[in-house]
Amino acid sequence: ETGVTQSPTHLIKTRGQQVTLRCSSQSGHNTVSWYQQALGQGPQFIFQYYREEENGRGNFPPRFSGLQFPNYSSELNVNALELDDSALYLCASSLKGGHYGYTFGSGTRLTVV
Amino acid sequence: AQTVTQSQPEMSVQEAETVTLSCTYDTSESDYYLFWYKQPPSRQMILVIRQEAYKQQNATENRFSVNFQKAAKSFSLKISDSQLGDAAMYFCAYRNTGNQFYFGTGTSLTVIP
Repeated sequence: ETGVTQSPTHLIKTRGQQVTLRCSSQSGHNTVSWYQQALGQGPQFIFQYYREEENGRGNFPPRFSGLQFPNYSSELNVNALELDDSALYLCASSLKGGHYGYTFGSGTRLTVV
Repeated sequence: AQTVTQSQPEMSVQEAETVTLSCTYDTSESDYYLFWYKQPPSRQMILVIRQEAYKQQNATENRFSVNFQKAAKSFSLKISDSQLGDAAMYFCAYRNTGNQFYFGTGTSLTVIP
């Protein structure tokens, strides 16, 4: 049974650029959620996808968008990057909307300069 | 909006002793899920234990147990027979019926040999 894998592990971008982060769900999981974790803080929920549809969203602006593919892998896209977007981005997958908890990946460390 | 509060930024425990981590949350909902996650330096969040709000019985997982007080909106984690491998950041998390997750700011647990 494979876990959740995220790519890349580290990334440096310039303010104003766009970035795409990728996540492969654990085998058999149909729900994916994304989180932003600033240094020294708890994760902040960005959004969740269930069977390719967004079915939950936190307080993030529209420049944060996502996709879930038929194989349940997912992408997080962030447009017009700001310095405050620098953070660890965590992806997590689950069955049935997360009732049983999520399996997390190791994250992508994004630095915006 | 739901909030999760962890009032202990840091805790320490002697190896083989018991420690309790506190968590309170604010919600107007009656149906929700609560979780404790562990985040070691490797960054990957690991599910420790989960509790469904409609269940009065406290969840247990081996050395980990919770004290769930629904009326008080309290969800503490007890770690018995602490081991060196338990050292990590511990996050309390709340999931509402709208599939939104809220995490606390975390408690850093040190285990003293």
